[in-house]
Amino acid sequence: DTAVSQTPKYLVTQMGNDKSIKCEQNLGHDTMYWYKQDSKKFLKIMFSYNNKELIINETVPNRFSPKSPDKAHLNLHINSLELGDSAVYFCASSRVLAGEDTQYFGPGTRLTVL
Amino acid sequence: AQSVTQPDIHITVSEGASLELRCNYSYGATPYLFWYVQSPGQGLQLLLKYFSGDTLVQGIKGFEAEFKRSQSSFNLRKPSVHWSDAAEYFCAVGAGTSGTYKYIFGTGTRLKVLA
Repeated sequence: DTAVSQTPKYLVTQMGNDKSIKCEQNLGHDTMYWYKQDSKKFLKIMFSYNNKELIINETVPNRFSPKSPDKAHLNLHINSLELGDSAVYFCASSRVLAGEDTQYFGPGTRLTVL
Repeated sequence: AQSVTQPDIHITVSEGASLELRCNYSYGATPYLFWYVQSPGQGLQLLLKYFSGDTLVQGIKGFEAEFKRSQSSFNLRKPSVHWSDAAEYFCAVGAGTSGTYKYIFGTGTRLKVLA
């Protein structure tokens, strides 16, 4: 059983398009996250949600809109895609939003904008 | 500001040799520290973590790390490297309160293992 899953694994699209990435966790966790890993492998948090409520929005352009329909899902919709959005996007979850809690990561979605 | 530094971008070791990956952090309070490994094309897997207590922590796959508060370091070690350990390794610090809590990652160290 996959703990944190993401779809799709690969996404290739043209500039200006709108696309979505889905994330699901079956760990019963309350908190979910989106991270962006750039071409230099640098990982940076984008959003965190706790009990479907947005907790952190790390100065991400408003073209990015996360949506959490329930605690097990956190989707990421991106409008008007730009070349600079090309990256690997990781979803993660943790039991609670607390220091001692471990985050579990999904396999990533590699987004390529042409 | 909180930050994590991994000074070595690339490290190459021979199979069977010992390994130490460096991690230094900057954080005002007691840190929560993590090491993750990312194999090519894969997600991140937790190797080990430190919250409190014994400063030498054991992880999976034979890895260990030592927290040294005086040096603001959390270096990862393995006594004998296997070819399957070739991967990208990330150190992270958990920072903030419940309303702002997040991981801050280092830039990663890519490990190459020579047969």
